[in-house]
Amino acid sequence: TQLLEQSPQFLSIQEGENLTVYCNSSSVFSSLQWYRQEPGEGPVLLVTVVTGGEVKKLKRLTFQFGDARKDSSLHITAAQPGDTGLYLCAGARFGNEKLTFGTGTRLTIIP
Amino acid sequence: KAGVTQTPRYLIKTRGQQVTLSCSPISGHRSVSWYQQTPGQGLQFLFEYFSETQRNKGNFPGRFSGRQFSNSRSEMNVSTLELGDSALYLCASDDPGLAYNEQFFGPGTRLTVL
Repeated sequence: TQLLEQSPQFLSIQEGENLTVYCNSSSVFSSLQWYRQEPGEGPVLLVTVVTGGEVKKLKRLTFQFGDARKDSSLHITAAQPGDTGLYLCAGARFGNEKLTFGTGTRLTIIP
Repeated sequence: KAGVTQTPRYLIKTRGQQVTLSCSPISGHRSVSWYQQTPGQGLQFLFEYFSETQRNKGNFPGRFSGRQFSNSRSEMNVSTLELGDSALYLCASDDPGLAYNEQFFGPGTRLTVL
C-alpha cells in the first residue's frame, strides 16, 4: 500500500499552460517535501512545507500543504520546457524520520 | 561544495552474483540514506546510516545490506542478485543544519541484472 498517492501519474501539456499536481494520503505528516527528478539524475529538493495550510511560492511554482496535513499540491503557472521531469512528493510522519515518497507525476511540457 | 557522488554509474550483473555500490556524501553531511527506484514501485527506502550506525531500515530482504565508514562514505551490498533487483539505486545525504530530513541525492547507480 502506497502511503502517498500522486495524481495524475502522467501529464503532457503545451508550453504556457497552467497545471496542478496532487499528493494525497490518509496519513498525517509532520512535513512534506517536493522534489523534481530529470533523466539520468537524482531528485532535487524544491521545497519543504511544515505547517497545515501553508503556501510557498518558488517563482512560477506554488506549493500548498493541506490544512489537515494529509495532502499537498503543486501548481505551475505558464509551464516551460525546463519544467519537464518527474515530480515526487515525500512526507515525514510524526515520530518517524524516515521519508515516504509518493508515486510520482511525470510531467512533459511540449514547446 | 561537491555534491553527492556515486560509483559506479552503471553496472551489469547476472543472477546469483553480488554487487557493491559506493556513495560519498556532501562534505559535512553525516547521514546517508539509500533508495531503490523502479518504474513499478517508485522510490523505496532501503536504509539510513548515521555515524556508522544503521538508524532506519526499510522493508527489503536481508540480501540488501550496507555500512558507513568513519568519513561518512557509505557502501551498499546486494547478494545473490535477482532479476527484480534491476533498478536505479540512489544515495542521499542530509544537511544537519536543516530540520526536516531534506535529502540531497546523488545521480544514482543503474544496476541491470541479466
